Amino acid sequence: AQSVTQLDSHVSVSEGTPVLLRCNYSSSYSPSLFWYVQHPNKGLQLLLKYTSAATLVKGINGFEAEFKKSETSFHLTKPSAHMSDAAEYFCVVSDPSYSNYQLIWGAGTKLIIKP
Amino acid sequence: SAVISQKPSRDICQRGTSLTIQCQVDSQVTMMFWYRQQPGQSLTLIATANQGSEATYESGFVIDKFPISRPNLTFSTLTVSNMSPEDSSIYLCSVEDEETASYEQYFGPGTRLTVT
Repeated sequence: AQSVTQLDSHVSVSEGTPVLLRCNYSSSYSPSLFWYVQHPNKGLQLLLKYTSAATLVKGINGFEAEFKKSETSFHLTKPSAHMSDAAEYFCVVSDPSYSNYQLIWGAGTKLIIKP
Repeated sequence: SAVISQKPSRDICQRGTSLTIQCQVDSQVTMMFWYRQQPGQSLTLIATANQGSEATYESGFVIDKFPISRPNLTFSTLTVSNMSPEDSSIYLCSVEDEETASYEQYFGPGTRLTVT
């Protein structure tokens, strides 16, 4: 069975400094991996996705993630944090062993931006 | 990408009552998904709804508590029956990106339910 582990429940950085949100997965298959963001009182938005093409994936709002098969990781990074990045971030893996390709959700990481 | 709307956006309900949440998509899709997000938690899949067949429920969720309708390819409803305070959550519907087959899902804005 597939699983997703987000290593930090909360990450706090100062505005203008780099962001690193960590995600590890376990998978018996070639996974598709996603990062979603949820701003307070707003819906879920896809940041980026990996689907077996380039291992370095660029997303919206300056975020990117690198798929490292040897480390089973898909960490999310951004060079310089902005106040508007404060939100909950979810790492998600698709599970093709299910007939409907169920998404497996990480527990989420709350990103806090200090002024 | 699909655009999804949900009604109501939020509601406060009394225990023992039922609430039906509507989900409308701007294009025809095969599968629709219903999720629950309890306060401060991640998403949990309730069920998958295919048009013309019974919904498939995940472990821990039953049809009597969460009946689902899927009358056509653009619409679905989820009912939360005989509510208790433990049902207070955000309920979200989603659809899969069927054009690219990338397993990406698009989400509605959610329905925030508070049961008193």
